[in-house]
Amino acid sequence: NAGVMQNPRHLVRRRGQEARLRCSPMKGHSHVYWYRQLPEEGLKFMVYLQKENIIDESGMPKERFSAEFPKEGPSILRIQQVVRGDSAAYFCASSPPAHGLEAFFGQGTRLTVV
Amino acid sequence: QQQVKQSPQSLIVQKGGISIINCAYENTAFDYFPWYQQFPGKGPALLIAIRPDVSEKKEGRFTISFNKSAKQFSLHIMDSQPGDSATYFCAAQSGYALNFGKGTSLLVTP
Repeated sequence: NAGVMQNPRHLVRRRGQEARLRCSPMKGHSHVYWYRQLPEEGLKFMVYLQKENIIDESGMPKERFSAEFPKEGPSILRIQQVVRGDSAAYFCASSPPAHGLEAFFGQGTRLTVV
Repeated sequence: QQQVKQSPQSLIVQKGGISIINCAYENTAFDYFPWYQQFPGKGPALLIAIRPDVSEKKEGRFTISFNKSAKQFSLHIMDSQPGDSATYFCAAQSGYALNFGKGTSLLVTP
């Protein structure tokens, strides 16, 4: 059973470009969470999605950031018009449908904006 | 606003010693307190977790102590090994979102 798969592992974008980060949850998991980790900081919650639904996006910046989890395919975190401050590690986690069970993290995508 | 405060920021322990990391929280709605271990270039991995109806939980060399009245919890790593060298994060959860501390970088020297 493969774990949470994130790609790419490393992504370099120039200021103003778009970044697309992908997350395939573990088999049988229908809940996906995105977290951002800035250097020497803990992870910060961004968004919680279930298939075709955004449940809570209270941690997402109001502009340029969006997330989706379509019926088919991976969850996508999209950052438009990236700025240097978006440089961070972005982690995806997934959990089974039942509430309160452990969330498993992927290895992250390290975004560098140059 | 940091909902979970973690200390120390870094820790050096000799092999065989005890590593102790502390966390404090304010929100009494938190009902799940996990600890994560993260190696460089990897995602966080759940190490051990506790719920507030228990004051202590032990799994192998890892123990969580939980003080509900003080709103504090700590991780003890007994007989620390060089392979334990990693960054450790405490977290607190109410609902589905984990609130992480800033992390403790642990180095266990041979």
